[in-house]
Amino acid sequence: AQRVTQPEKLLSVFKGAPVELKCNYSYSGSPELFWYVQYSRQRLQLLLRHISRESIKGFTADLNKGETSFHLKKPFAQEEDSAMYYCALSPTSGTYKYIFGTGTRLKVLA
Amino acid sequence: DAGVTQSPTHLIKTRGQHVTLRCSPISGHKSVSWYQQVLGQGPQFIFQYYEKEERGRGNFPDRFSARQFPNYSSELNVNALLLGDSALYLCASSLAVDRAGYTFGSGTRLTVV
Repeated sequence: AQRVTQPEKLLSVFKGAPVELKCNYSYSGSPELFWYVQYSRQRLQLLLRHISRESIKGFTADLNKGETSFHLKKPFAQEEDSAMYYCALSPTSGTYKYIFGTGTRLKVLA
Repeated sequence: DAGVTQSPTHLIKTRGQHVTLRCSPISGHKSVSWYQQVLGQGPQFIFQYYEKEERGRGNFPDRFSARQFPNYSSELNVNALLLGDSALYLCASSLAVDRAGYTFGSGTRLTVV
């Protein structure tokens, strides 16, 4: 079954501390993985895609096919990083739907 | 560009009623997808349309239907509303049917009472 698991509903860190938001997926093929972010009172927006291998707002994510993980990391958290983060998977074949995880709320404390 | 626009923003309906939600994609985007987001959960895929054709359907009952118009706007229809249909309905658009990443609208908050 295709599934995205985000084990933490809430993650609280202090400003300046490293952040790691966990994402594990279940899919037999080679999916494309994404991280979406939703800031307070804003719409869901794309943060980054694994295929781009880019760093957005200091965040990076590496696809680990062996561990079927796509964890989101940032070395030094900022207060403006506080938001809801969703990991999403897009299968390589069939419909181009996204399968979302349940999300992790990141709170960066001053 | 106004981005992906959805209407209405909020809606209250009674069980058994019918509802129509509307979405206008970003200018030039030909693909529209619909997602349902229940409180505390991630968005769940309902439909994808591209060039007015249904390209994908999620695990939702036949009470849910959608269509895409020649101008690429889209409607999501839900018949015989149930309390469990209460959710945020999100529309997302993209240039084509691909995995480049969608742009989401702000959603329509549907409450069924």
